[in-house]
Amino acid sequence: LAKTTQPISMDSYEGQEVNITCSHNNIATNDYITWYQQFPSQGPRFIIQGYKTKVTNEVASLFIPADRKSSTLSLPRVSLSDTAVYYCLVVGYNFNKFYFGSGTKLNVKP
Amino acid sequence: GAVVSQHPSRVICKSGTSVKIECRSLDFQATTMFWYRQFPKQSLMLMATSNEGSKATYEQGVEKDKFLINHASLTLSTLTVTSAHPEDSSFYICSASPKSPQRDRYEQYFGPGTRLTVT
Repeated sequence: LAKTTQPISMDSYEGQEVNITCSHNNIATNDYITWYQQFPSQGPRFIIQGYKTKVTNEVASLFIPADRKSSTLSLPRVSLSDTAVYYCLVVGYNFNKFYFGSGTKLNVKP
Repeated sequence: GAVVSQHPSRVICKSGTSVKIECRSLDFQATTMFWYRQFPKQSLMLMATSNEGSKATYEQGVEKDKFLINHASLTLSTLTVTSAHPEDSSFYICSASPKSPQRDRYEQYFGPGTRLTVT
């Protein structure tokens, strides 16, 4: 089971770039890395998924080093509405490891 | 696309009664559905994984006779909390994995959650 470790909380200001790093030291060869966002009393929302190097979509970028033991979610120019909890998950073949860690509470200030 | 609904969104019941929560994938077929429980200010805890037409696989420590899961079709899974007690009060969230992923290998879409309060 690839346990993930993230900072408990982070503060940022509007317009800044935010980078949240997750460590997953015992990630397996076939595992993928996925990030979710959750607002209070709502279900998580998918942000991005990657296997190696860099992945970018319309809302974020995901950086994964060659050893894949960590990953960094990058949120460009955050706004107040990005205040939420962000979870890093390592997903195994056929969803056999879909567990949530403690998450990172991001607080964006004006 | 890829919308998952849950019903009800909020339910209050008396201790000892049973409550059924529905999870539906509205615009896709889901081969696998997951049920989570989340207590205030805590992370999501996976309760069980269910595949259409087969018995659910429960996580260690989750009582399968208390939390009955049925995944009768590719778009519907239900969680029934039997003989509910106040300690079962929590936020229950389901998620669904598409039969045919559109973009990412391990796509999973979450419902909005159901707030259960047992009095």
